[in-house]
Amino acid sequence: QSVLTQPPSASGTPGQRVTISCSGSSSNIGSNTVNWYQHLPGTAPKLLIYSNNQRPSGVPDRFSGSKSGTSASLAISGLQSEDEADYYCAAWDDSLNGYVFGTGTKVTVL
Amino acid sequence: QVQLVESGGGVVQPGRSLRLSCAASGFTFSSYAMHWVRQAPGKGLEWVAIIWYDGSYKYFADSVKGRFTISRDNSRTTLYLQMNTLRAGDTAVYYCARDGGDGYNLANWGQGTLVTVSS
Repeated sequence: QSVLTQPPSASGTPGQRVTISCSGSSSNIGSNTVNWYQHLPGTAPKLLIYSNNQRPSGVPDRFSGSKSGTSASLAISGLQSEDEADYYCAAWDDSLNGYVFGTGTKVTVL
Repeated sequence: QVQLVESGGGVVQPGRSLRLSCAASGFTFSSYAMHWVRQAPGKGLEWVAIIWYDGSYKYFADSVKGRFTISRDNSRTTLYLQMNTLRAGDTAVYYCARDGGDGYNLANWGQGTLVTVSS
């Protein structure tokens, strides 16, 4: 029952650009910053983007984030095989007084 | 470097309790809020709880409110999750994570510990 909605899957060939959307509401994305996480099964999730569009040290600039109103998106340009993973958006929700994750998007490199 | 190591997972019967620990190192533990997040088999990430750097504030997901408590010992640089009245739906890998401090983001994660609730 996540309050942030993502498409269940996305795919592309190596070198292509893939975009993942994240739809929320005024109490979460609309009033707080958005973060994105990459998760490979069996490993620890990794912070990919914070504060809507900032990359932590070590994250390639192929990954970029944006936010507009109550929606956000993650773009992966120059898709690589190692980008095959699950991606989650997340934000603080002022109404729930809690942190909420998106439903998750599985990215497949064809 | 930041290191977070969870422990305490295992198999537990429904209705019983379990306490998870997260040993932190490589950063000033007492300066950062900490989170617990879980992932049930075949499901997505679910945030569980947060505790402020000094333990002054704690918030929980509705799914665990009233059953789980979060605490920390800054002198031992350890985070805890006390889980009571466990249900089958609590079966998951539980991760601890350090807040990055920039508007709530989970900057560093542990490898997780598996909790299985089953009779």
